Amino acid sequence: AQRVTQPEKLLSVFKGAPVELKCNYSYSGSPELFWYVQYSRQRLQLLLRHISRESIKGFTADLNKGETSFHLKKPFAQEEDSAMYYCALKGGGNKLTFGTGTQLKVEL
Amino acid sequence: SAVISQKPSRDICQRGTSLTIQCQVDSQVTMMFWYRQQPGQSLTLIATANQGSEATYESGFVIDKFPISRPNLTFSTLTVSNMSPEDSSIYLCSVVRRLNTEAFFGQGTRLTVV
Repeated sequence: AQRVTQPEKLLSVFKGAPVELKCNYSYSGSPELFWYVQYSRQRLQLLLRHISRESIKGFTADLNKGETSFHLKKPFAQEEDSAMYYCALKGGGNKLTFGTGTQLKVEL
Repeated sequence: SAVISQKPSRDICQRGTSLTIQCQVDSQVTMMFWYRQQPGQSLTLIATANQGSEATYESGFVIDKFPISRPNLTFSTLTVSNMSPEDSSIYLCSVVRRLNTEAFFGQGTRLTVV
């Protein structure tokens, strides 16, 4: 069975502070991991995927197979980063398993 | 990207009734999925909508409760049957244009059963 764990329901940081949203996974095969984001009153959208190894809106995430983690990081939080973030794992059949999500609140 | 129109955006329904949710995509897609997000919980996959054949349901979901249609490559419906308050959730349509590419999501249908 595959599972995604996001231990923090809410993460509050000050503007300019570093951000780290934690994600751990459990999967017997070779994992493909994603971060999705949902801004207020908008639909869920892809932020980044581990195979792309790119930085989107200043966010990066590295897949650590030893620790089974895919934490999302940004060195300096901005007010517009406030949103709900979901970590997701793709298993067979292009199906996604989501974590419970972390609400990021960036305070001024 | 994919433009997904999901209707209705929200509804309040009486228990024992059924509601059909529509998902229309602007162009042909390979795969269509239906997810449920119960209050305070994560997204859970209900089923994969298969074009021209029966949907493939995940554990805990059955066709009698959640009948799904997908008559072509751009349209699917999910029906929530014989509703109870426990069915109050956000229901989301998701599409994948080609295998192993990004999944796109509709804006969701917020269902409240009273």
